[in-house]
Order: sequence, then C-alpha cells, then structure tokens
Amino acid sequence: QKEVEQDHGPLSVPEGAIVSLNCTYSNSAFQYFMWYRQYSRKGPELLMYTYSSGNKEDGRFTAQVDKSSKYISLFIRDSQPSDSATYLCAGREETSGSRLTFGEGTQLTVNP
Amino acid sequence: NAGVTQTPKFQVLKTGQSMTLQCAQDMNHNSMYWYRQDPGMGLRLIYYSASEGTTDKGEVPNGYNVSRLNKREFSLRLESAAPSQTSVYFCASSPSWVVSTYGYTFGSGTRLTVV
Repeated sequence: QKEVEQDHGPLSVPEGAIVSLNCTYSNSAFQYFMWYRQYSRKGPELLMYTYSSGNKEDGRFTAQVDKSSKYISLFIRDSQPSDSATYLCAGREETSGSRLTFGEGTQLTVNP
Repeated sequence: NAGVTQTPKFQVLKTGQSMTLQCAQDMNHNSMYWYRQDPGMGLRLIYYSASEGTTDKGEVPNGYNVSRLNKREFSLRLESAAPSQTSVYFCASSPSWVVSTYGYTFGSGTRLTVV
C-alpha cells in the first residue's frame, strides 16, 4: 500500500465551481502536510502547508487535515482556468527531516 | 531568476549509455533532492543530500549515483541507462534538513527517454 493515495482524476469543472481534491495516507507519523501545484511541463510549486489537524486558508484555497481519519483535502473556491494543473498532496514525519512522500497527483481542468 | 536550474531539459539515451543530470540552486539552500516522476507512480525520491558533504539513498536509488559537488550543485548519474529509467527527473532544494514551512523548490525537470 502506498503511504499517500490520491484521487486519480482527471477532474473537469466549469469556471467558478468549488473544487475538492482529496488524499488519504497510511503513515500515522505524518505531522506535516503540503499541497503542490504542477503546471504542464513544469516543476511542482508549493501551494499550501499545514501542521497536524485543522484548516488553513489562503485566498481561494483551503487545506484541511483530519488526522483521525488520515484524510487530506484541498478546496478551491471560485475556480479559474488558471487553476488548471496537477495537484499533488504530500506528507512528512516530524522525525524524518524534510523528506516528503507524495501522492500520485490529480489533474484538474477548469473550463471557461 | 533565482531558483533551481536543471540541465539538460531533454535527453534521449540508448540502453547502456551513461549520462549525468546537472542541478544547481542559487538560494543558499542546504538540502537538495533528486526525484523521478512517472505516470501512476507520482514523485519518488531517488537520492538526497541533507547538507554539503552528505548524500543518502531514497526510495528508488538502484541504477543511480549522486554527487554533492558543493553547496550549490547536486548531480545525478546514470551509469548504464535502462528503458525503466525513462522518466521525468526533478531536482529540488530546501533551506535546511529540519522541518521548514518553505517546503521544496523544484527545478523544471529533465525529460529522459532510454531506447
């Protein structure tokens, strides 16, 4: 079993929709959770960063972590065509330094 | 622009050939990483360097070697390329080995095809 499993997609939504991207993880030692956004033929870039359980909001983006169910979510409000990209979730143990374990990624297309 | 620079961007190799992927960062980061990205597999860590002078194996190190040449540069070498090494390779860096809110900064990738 992979340590981080992610909804495969692809996901296609109309502009303005609320998007929900989801991951599950199996490593109970994960304390840090990140979302990366990757545009086509580019490297991933850090989008959101959360520690332990709870919510974190940044503009139209909200990251949510539920450690009791080992569930990670990213919500995008008022989605835009510029949000079209692959979204990668990642987890990290507190004791393993900065080694991240990534999910496979979910490809999102926002249609004008 | 500041960031992580990878060369080359594209490469086609024949089975058995060797090559070195170059990576350099200009952000004064201490830690550097090599990942490969394959469809359905996500990003998998090949090797990492927590600090200058140290290197360690990641999840999929077989068939690869690395060199942390100095604080800025971290190279990945394929000694005898195999078709299974066809992938997109990403170099990344982070400020330090300890937990950081800055995460990783990735390069734009090297697309390698082994025929």
